[in-house]
Amino acid sequence: QKEVEQDPGPLSVPEGAIVSLNCTYSNSAFQYFMWYRQYSRKGPELLMYTYSSGNKEDGRFTAQVDKSSKYISLFIRDSQPSDSATYLCAMSARQAGTALIFGKGTTLSVSS
Amino acid sequence: DAEITQSPRHKITETGRQVTLACHQTWNHNNMFWYRQDLGHGLRLIHYSYGVQDTNKGEVSDGYSVSRSNTEDLPLTLESAASSQTSVYFCASSDRVGVGYTFGSGTRLTVV
Repeated sequence: QKEVEQDPGPLSVPEGAIVSLNCTYSNSAFQYFMWYRQYSRKGPELLMYTYSSGNKEDGRFTAQVDKSSKYISLFIRDSQPSDSATYLCAMSARQAGTALIFGKGTTLSVSS
Repeated sequence: DAEITQSPRHKITETGRQVTLACHQTWNHNNMFWYRQDLGHGLRLIHYSYGVQDTNKGEVSDGYSVSRSNTEDLPLTLESAASSQTSVYFCASSDRVGVGYTFGSGTRLTVV
């Protein structure tokens, strides 16, 4: 079992829909949880960052972490065509010497 | 403005040749990372460094090497290029363990 599992999709939704993206993980030592957005032929860019459990909201984006279930989510409200991209979850443990482990990414397409 | 740059953006090389991909950051970050991104595998860690003279192997380090002689640069060398190393390579940096990374724009390498 890989440390981080993410459904690659693709996921297609109409403009204005609510999108839910999810990852599960197996390493209980993970404390830092992130979501990256990657447009075609570009490098990933940090979208949301959460430490430990809880919710974080930034505009139309909400990140949720449930450490008891080892499950993280990213919600996109009022999705726009400009949200069409690949979304990657990433996580790491707290101790020094650990690097980010990424999910495979979910490709999202929002149609107008 | 601080940035992280990768060169070249595209490269075609022959099997068996030694290839070096450059990564240069002006963020003054101690931590630097190399990932490769392949369809179906997502981002996989190759090598990383937490400071000058420090290097560590990642998940897929066989056939690759890095050296860190200063804070700004972490070149990635493919000792003897193989077709299995055809991929998109991303360099990233960060200033603290567990925080989000800043990624470069990537190098698309084709080994023929």
